[in-house]
Amino acid sequence: EVQLLESGGGLVQPGGSLRLSCAASGFTFSSYAMGWVRQAPGKGLEWVSVISGSGGTTYYADSMKGRFTISRADSKKTLSLQMNSLRAEDTAVYYCAKSVRIGMGPFDIWGQGTMVTVSS
Amino acid sequence: QSALTQPASVSGSPGQSITLSCTGTSSDVGGYNYVSWYQQHPGKAPKLMIYDVSNRPSGVSNRFSGSKSGNTASLTISGLQAEDEADYYCSSYTSSSNTWVFGGGTKLTVL
Repeated sequence: EVQLLESGGGLVQPGGSLRLSCAASGFTFSSYAMGWVRQAPGKGLEWVSVISGSGGTTYYADSMKGRFTISRADSKKTLSLQMNSLRAEDTAVYYCAKSVRIGMGPFDIWGQGTMVTVSS
Repeated sequence: QSALTQPASVSGSPGQSITLSCTGTSSDVGGYNYVSWYQQHPGKAPKLMIYDVSNRPSGVSNRFSGSKSGNTASLTISGLQAEDEADYYCSSYTSSSNTWVFGGGTKLTVL
């Protein structure tokens, strides 16, 4: 069964850091781009970041550039998102998702999401 | 403000056909065949319904179809069913930032 399982969410103070992880199973992880999408409480979806299947190329939404870092470990079938300098507006459910292709593209498989709350 | 514009809400009766719209610019929807549509039920993860304007992933009902004209993409749901009640989001590649963007979402109510 194709599955993505996020972990690492929680409560963090403004200015703090958090690292999200996503464990993949059921597909050839290295062959697909992977990404993160977030959803603030009661709001719509927001594209966050993607890393190519080769791991050589990363993409970020403007509001995350310089603060978030996406990475992948193909041998462990794991995707990560390092989030620094967190702000209240980063509070959201963060979804890990698999692209339909090796490059940036739409996401056909999603995890259940992990909640990140930035508050003092 | 979302980069892609969707109506906040749409409603229809069971059995009807409805069309959801997604308006962008020549830098995104109009310039590339990289529009996708997602369905999201409350408390659940999004589900890909259409990608690359009109392609349906395996397992998605053929009641769902996608199209594009100029800077506006559309998702048509035929034979509306109660289970179709959900939020629908469009998404597109955008060359302005070399990333993807989502629309604000449309809440579909089945009367």
